[in-house]
Amino acid sequence: QKEVEQNSGPLSVPEGAIASLNCTYSDRGSQSFFWYRQYSGKSPELIMFIYSNGDKEDGRFTAQLNKASQYVSLLIRDSQPSDSATYLCAKRPSNTGKLIFGQGTTLQVKP
Amino acid sequence: DAGVTQSPTHLIKTRGQHVTLRCSPISGHKSVSWYQQVLGQGPQFIFQYYEKEERGRGNFPDRFSARQFPNYSSELNVNALLLGDSALYLCASSWTGEEQYFGPGTRLTVT
Repeated sequence: QKEVEQNSGPLSVPEGAIASLNCTYSDRGSQSFFWYRQYSGKSPELIMFIYSNGDKEDGRFTAQLNKASQYVSLLIRDSQPSDSATYLCAKRPSNTGKLIFGQGTTLQVKP
Repeated sequence: DAGVTQSPTHLIKTRGQHVTLRCSPISGHKSVSWYQQVLGQGPQFIFQYYEKEERGRGNFPDRFSARQFPNYSSELNVNALLLGDSALYLCASSWTGEEQYFGPGTRLTVT
């Protein structure tokens, strides 16, 4: 089992809809979680991070963490064509500087 | 404020050669991490340095080495290049290793 798993997609949503990106992880140890956006040919850009169970909102983005189910998600409200990119989920075990990434989910927002 | 910078942007090398990649972190950040990203995959952790000391090493052969300088910039060295080393090499900057911000990357092609 991979440490961080994502569906590679593509996930296609119409403009203005809510895009839901999901990530599961192994190991119930203490760790934090990060969502990065990566446009084709560019480097990853940090969108959000979450450490505690529950929801964390930042503008159109909401990260959700459920430690019991070992599940992290990213919701993008009012999706725009400019949100079309690959979204990378990563975990960082406590007391390390190592990010462990999933393979990423490609999101397509259609006008 | 300037973000993370990396040089060179692109590099073409021949099998068996050596390469040095460079990274300058965000001002005030003391930790630099290196990642390798091959097409279609998430970044893979290579090294983390904090205050000039190695704090973590990923599952890469000894051909890969790195160091961090007193000004917190860093070099990644790869010896005896193989075709499989062709990838995007990413440097990430952070205060101590938590939220990591990526540079633009160096695209290495080995022929």
